[in-house]
Amino acid sequence: DIQMTQSPSTLSASVGDRVTITCRASQSISSWLAWYQQKPGKAPKLLIYKASTLESGVPSRFSGSGSGTEFTLTISSLQPDDLATYYCQQYNNYSWTFGQGTKVEIK
Amino acid sequence: QVQLVESGGGVVQPGGSLRLSCAVSGFSFSNYGMHWVRQAPGKGLEWVAAILSDGSNKYYADSLKGRFTISRDNSKKMLYLQMNRLSDEDTAVYFCSTDGGMGKLDYWGQGTLVTVSP
Repeated sequence: DIQMTQSPSTLSASVGDRVTITCRASQSISSWLAWYQQKPGKAPKLLIYKASTLESGVPSRFSGSGSGTEFTLTISSLQPDDLATYYCQQYNNYSWTFGQGTKVEIK
Repeated sequence: QVQLVESGGGVVQPGGSLRLSCAVSGFSFSNYGMHWVRQAPGKGLEWVAAILSDGSNKYYADSLKGRFTISRDNSKKMLYLQMNRLSDEDTAVYFCSTDGGMGKLDYWGQGTLVTVSP
């Protein structure tokens, strides 16, 4: 199975800061990588798919990049509403795996 | 609009069984693959199982060791997860979600809580 490793596990940043979360795959997954945002007590929400395609309705401050084994999610200007846990998720050969999550806190 | 509503969660004893359901509306169910994803209390997301749009193929996380079975009834717009030989490690909120293609899970239900406890 492909393992997904996110870093950091937790980050604290101020409103307006640029925030970057990294996700590494244990083997190449091309661009089959999605990012989700999950707020406490809620279902996950799809933000980005195919590594860099923004889901409809998602604010443009969110962006994704990468291919192969290393990927990043960037929030260009952190907003109070972005307080959440973010997960990456890979797809390969009819198997899906999530990273362990990155909790984003607002300073 | 797209709606997914899970049901069937509850408290079950170790070794017991439970069947979860997911009722969908607002889209052409028979055209979409579907997934179950779970989240243990305070933990991250874990993919559980997937089924193709026509039910012809099913895929499972290796960790389940054959205890879970995903199924669907396209005529009723329902997705199911049969869970057997449950242990405390199966305690989690279980979400159903749609497969939007390109590896993404694009719509999610609100989840149903399964608690395995003596």
